[in-house]
Amino acid sequence: QKEVEQDPGPLSVPEGAIVSLNCTYSNSAFQYFMWYRQYSRKGPELLMYTYSSGNKEDGRFTAQVDKSSKYISLFIRDSQPSDSATYLCAQSGSGNSPLVFGKGTRLSVIA
Amino acid sequence: GAVVSQHPSRVICKSGTSVKIECRSLDFQATTMFWYRQFPKQSLMLMATSNEGSKATYEQGVEKDKFLINHASLTLSTLTVTSAHPEDSSFYICSARDSGKNYGYTFGSGTRLTVV
Repeated sequence: QKEVEQDPGPLSVPEGAIVSLNCTYSNSAFQYFMWYRQYSRKGPELLMYTYSSGNKEDGRFTAQVDKSSKYISLFIRDSQPSDSATYLCAQSGSGNSPLVFGKGTRLSVIA
Repeated sequence: GAVVSQHPSRVICKSGTSVKIECRSLDFQATTMFWYRQFPKQSLMLMATSNEGSKATYEQGVEKDKFLINHASLTLSTLTVTSAHPEDSSFYICSARDSGKNYGYTFGSGTRLTVV
């Protein structure tokens, strides 16, 4: 089984709020975890990438992987209207294995 | 960073005609590219894995004779939708990974196909 579960939302927050996006996965063998942001009618853009477990921070974004609970999280601090998009979590194995995507969460940040 | 160029971004075609979509890795070589399909407000569905110099691997339920994939070089993969029908209307996206890096896939900007 290679599923990644993600609540599709939509999620609406005021500007400046902290946003928490979450996914669960079932395949423990896949150890690469990614978050993509997709604006309407555009291709997904890689936001964050982590290998195995732990935290990774990049500006206002923090990605977190908890392997014990098979939980992936993305936190957005000081959210901006420009963060309004669909956020997709993804998982993959090594080599050229394809990504397994969650359904994506639609986020709206209201000014 | 790695860039994947996808063309055309939008195409309208008549039923029964064929449409070719190109996916190019601009600054890296990609032995493997992936083709996805996305319906409105839904996630990406993997259609096939395109391998340079060999036949593509199709996901279950994807008609290989309808969606022809050619990966003739390390920087170019094409998807041809043959004898298109209105139900083929969708957003098609390709992706590739820089073989020199071990993380992250870069996506093209997508092609919106409308069959009338």
